[in-house]
Amino acid sequence: NAGVTQTPKFQVLKTGQSMTLQCAQDMNHNSMYWYRQDPGMGLRLIYYSASEGTTDKGEVPNGYNVSRLNKREFSLRLESAAPSQTSVYFCASSEIAGTKPYEQYFGPGTRLTVT
Amino acid sequence: QKEVEQNSGPLSVPEGAIASLNCTYSDRGSQSFFWYRQYSGKSPELIMFIYSNGDKEDGRFTAQLNKASQYVSLLIRDSQPSDSATYLCAVSTGFQKLVFGTGTRLLVSP
Repeated sequence: NAGVTQTPKFQVLKTGQSMTLQCAQDMNHNSMYWYRQDPGMGLRLIYYSASEGTTDKGEVPNGYNVSRLNKREFSLRLESAAPSQTSVYFCASSEIAGTKPYEQYFGPGTRLTVT
Repeated sequence: QKEVEQNSGPLSVPEGAIASLNCTYSDRGSQSFFWYRQYSGKSPELIMFIYSNGDKEDGRFTAQLNKASQYVSLLIRDSQPSDSATYLCAVSTGFQKLVFGTGTRLLVSP
């Protein structure tokens, strides 16, 4: 199993350009997440999808949109990139299983620079 | 006040010593607690989770939870240079969502 995969690994954008970050998981998990990680700020939740067909805002959703394409895939779109969106983006997935703790499994990350 | 607080470090310990990493959280309704390790330039990987008061041991790692004090800790026994990383505390505050601390950087010197 590949686990959680993300593409691309690196990206440089100019201010105002758009792009979509792709994420896929092969663990049959119901829930998927997008985080950004900035120095000194830790991981902050952008959007999440508790199950196929649903998405909800996290802590820092402004400037982003998401699509849960199917159970495996969850994409993050930047419509008009800004330098403040320079960050490392992580996708994660987890299973829902009653009272079981919701450990999340992370992809390798996308390092995005907006100039 | 941040929901999950950690000392940013670095915490420096010699090889073979016990490293103690601490985390406090603000939401008394939190039910699940996680420790992730993140090497520089890599993604976080789960080390342990705990959801009952007391201690939980897994090899060289022990997680400790005190819900009354809203405090969770991670002890690493016989620390190795390969344990040098940033350790992230995460707390489940609602359905399927985790809130992460900013992490503590651990340095284990040979």
